[in-house]
Amino acid sequence: DAGVIQSPRHEVTEMGQEVTLRCKPISGHDYLFWYRQTMMRGLELLIYFNNNVPIDDSGMPEDRFSAKMPNASFSTLKIQPSEPRDSAVYFCASSQGARGTEAFFGQGTRLTVV
Amino acid sequence: SQQGEEDPQALSIQEGENATMNCSYKTSINNLQWYRQNSGRGLVHLILIRSNEREKHSGRLRVTLDTSKKSSSLLITASRAADTASYFCATRYTGANSKLTFGKGITLSVRP
Repeated sequence: DAGVIQSPRHEVTEMGQEVTLRCKPISGHDYLFWYRQTMMRGLELLIYFNNNVPIDDSGMPEDRFSAKMPNASFSTLKIQPSEPRDSAVYFCASSQGARGTEAFFGQGTRLTVV
Repeated sequence: SQQGEEDPQALSIQEGENATMNCSYKTSINNLQWYRQNSGRGLVHLILIRSNEREKHSGRLRVTLDTSKKSSSLLITASRAADTASYFCATRYTGANSKLTFGKGITLSVRP
């Protein structure tokens, strides 16, 4: 397996634009996590899915952020409208099974909003 | 929040020395995991220790868990320059919500 695949790797956009980040989890994994990493806040859990269903979205900063998982092999994180404070590295991770397993991370998407 | 908190925030040692990093958390956990992140890359899982375990080894890594103190430590023995990275502890909740939450990380620099 190629691992967790995220696209794009880098995104530069203007304030107010819509941004869509994409993630393909490892085949067979039933958990998918979206994280945001910044120097100030560290690695924050935004939302996670189990079997394509959102379980906990308490980390989503505000209504401008939304995430979907239409099937087991694809998830998106959308920011609309984007703001400069959304600039960060966004990671997707997947795992198999419930608690006793490790998470596999993608390479991340570095988002810059100017 | 049950988010883990690592200390120290930064650690600089000489190659060949041992590196000890600590993590504390707040609520009951099912397991605690340590991850490594090289600059500009994603996190890579190092080791997982379950709540009913006290110590675990993997190569040059040794992890301990003290659930009474809600703390864990990661020891890297005979460090190498290639161990230079950020290290994170992550906790997984015991309740119905099995989210995986991370601390802010420790930056380890190993001088050749």
